[in-house]
Amino acid sequence: GDSVTQMEGPVTLSEEAFLTINCTYTATGYPSLFWYVQYPGEGLQLLLKATKADDKGSNKGFEATYRKETTSFHLEKGSVQVSDSAVYFCALSDTYSSASKIIFGSGTRLSIRP
Amino acid sequence: DAGVIQSPRHEVTEMGQEVTLRCKPISGHDYLFWYRQTMMRGLELLIYFNNNVPIDDSGMPEDRFSAKMPNASFSTLKIQPSEPRDSAVYFCASSPTSGYNEQFFGPGTRLTVL
Repeated sequence: GDSVTQMEGPVTLSEEAFLTINCTYTATGYPSLFWYVQYPGEGLQLLLKATKADDKGSNKGFEATYRKETTSFHLEKGSVQVSDSAVYFCALSDTYSSASKIIFGSGTRLSIRP
Repeated sequence: DAGVIQSPRHEVTEMGQEVTLRCKPISGHDYLFWYRQTMMRGLELLIYFNNNVPIDDSGMPEDRFSAKMPNASFSTLKIQPSEPRDSAVYFCASSPTSGYNEQFFGPGTRLTVL
């Protein structure tokens, strides 16, 4: 079945460091891929998405490129801030199987030191 | 625009009591999802509805859990009787009918069963 595997946390970085959170997926169809972010005490919110191979999603300085050949969707940011401390979830929706369900990864907790 | 609304935000109850969680999805969204989040098990999909009809309830842990969606603007998740292991944050999310299946999450209800 469809699945998402992401880098285990927690990840701790200093402010202005470069961030990569790895994510790989398994899907039978042609999935859409997402990164969601959850700030403390809040619900998940969509950070970025990509709907086909080679698409790059970007938002708030974060980027991720849909790589079909490596079935990956790694999240990157060039210079992190304390306010980026949150839990990040990689996710997929396989539009050719169970309609509208999203498969979430286990989440990666990110902490940024001032 | 108002997002997904959940109530109450916090609920503390004693074992054996009935608990009802409420959700108002974003107007015009056809899909509604209930999730549970714990440290041990992460984010779990409990049930989801399409046009007020339950589509997949395979994630509902036991018969003590039930969910209803009497109309397009309201859903409930009920636990009767509640147990301490039900303590978690419960999220409601909604999604429009689209090819990319982006979900919009509410702020969650933190449930504590003593």
